[in-house]
Amino acid sequence: GAVVSQHPSWVICKSGTSVKIECRSLDFQATTMFWYRQFPKQSLMLMATSNEGSKATYEQGVEKDKFLINHASLTLSTLTVTSAHPEDSSFYICSATGGLYTDTQYFGPGTRLTVL
Amino acid sequence: AQSVTQPDIHITVSEGASLELRCNYSYGATPYLFWYVQSPGQGLQLLLKYFSGDTLVQGIKGFEAEFKRSQSSFNLRKPSVHWSDAAEYFCAVGPEYGNKLVFGAGTILRVKS
Repeated sequence: GAVVSQHPSWVICKSGTSVKIECRSLDFQATTMFWYRQFPKQSLMLMATSNEGSKATYEQGVEKDKFLINHASLTLSTLTVTSAHPEDSSFYICSATGGLYTDTQYFGPGTRLTVL
Repeated sequence: AQSVTQPDIHITVSEGASLELRCNYSYGATPYLFWYVQSPGQGLQLLLKYFSGDTLVQGIKGFEAEFKRSQSSFNLRKPSVHWSDAAEYFCAVGPEYGNKLVFGAGTILRVKS
């Protein structure tokens, strides 16, 4: 139980384009999903918290217009990096809680974004 | 503010040796404590968690952790390390169910044969 998937696992894009990353809870209803960013050899940095059907709550310093988060259903949240630039290159990880798993965050496998 | 300290950035142990990874937290109320493991290029896998009750908790892959309130610690242990345990380990503290987690900086475990 508590399986979270992400798609794609890696993506390369040109500077100025937008990239969408999907996070899905496969076997439970995720009322809350979290998006993290991880730089090489560093810990996870929380970017935003999204609750199904509500606007995401962004952490201080995270540009909400650049990192668009949508949590339209209980099994899917998307992160769109708009007008990506090389400094947006990073490892993005989502996590989810909900249903029988409200007390623990379960993480997806991550998405490696490289912006050329 | 909550914080988590993992004092050891890197630890190297021999295969078959015992392991202890340290985690200290700062939190004003009863913490919810977690240990996650991350293999290179992968997401985080939950090893174990502590919410209340028995202060010694058992997790997957033979890991255990002990909550010591007096020391504000939640150290992770394994009696005999396997080469496949080489990974990065993160300790995290949360306020309550499913809410934000504060992560430590992580400890990279290397296992030598």
